[in-house]
Amino acid sequence: DAGVIQSPRHEVTEMGQEVTLRCKPISGHDYLFWYRQTMMRGLELLIYFNNNVPIDDSGMPEDRFSAKMPNASFSTLKIQPSEPRDSAVYFCASSPKTGVHGELFFGEGSRLTVL
Amino acid sequence: SQQGEEDPQALSIQEGENATMNCSYKTSINNLQWYRQNSGRGLVHLILIRSNEREKHSGRLRVTLDTSKKSSSLLITASRAADTASYFCATDANQGGKLIFGQGTELSVKP
Repeated sequence: DAGVIQSPRHEVTEMGQEVTLRCKPISGHDYLFWYRQTMMRGLELLIYFNNNVPIDDSGMPEDRFSAKMPNASFSTLKIQPSEPRDSAVYFCASSPKTGVHGELFFGEGSRLTVL
Repeated sequence: SQQGEEDPQALSIQEGENATMNCSYKTSINNLQWYRQNSGRGLVHLILIRSNEREKHSGRLRVTLDTSKKSSSLLITASRAADTASYFCATDANQGGKLIFGQGTELSVKP
């Protein structure tokens, strides 16, 4: 079984550019989570979806960030315009249940560097 | 916001020794989970312990949970160099489907 697939694995861009990160969850998983990891702030939950519907986006830092899940097998996290402080590793995770009851399956992450 | 805080932040031991990592949290929980992250990789689930459980084992891992003290510990017995990684606790913090992670303990096992 393929795990959670994220792309790109590495992205280097310049301030002001649009960044799109992609995620394919594990088939059959109803929940999808986007996390951001930095040395300073650790792992932060940005947003999560249940059956393609955003449930909680309170962790999305600013309006520059947006996330969509057009179908059960694909999600995007977009940053427009990007800033140097957005540099981080962005993880997508999926789960057949909520985090309350079950484990999360993480992708390998997308390392973003904004110059 | 951080729910769990791991202690110590970093731990260095010799192969064969036991490693103990602690996690404290602030609010009531339904369950607590431990994850491992190798450098440059995604997190991998290790074990889940429910709020009505006190201890759980999985191979060389032993997890305890003390809800009265709002704390948990992860014990890795007979550590190996391959156990070198960061270890995170995560709780639901009674916030619906959210899973909130601590800052992690960086474990180094020297051969």
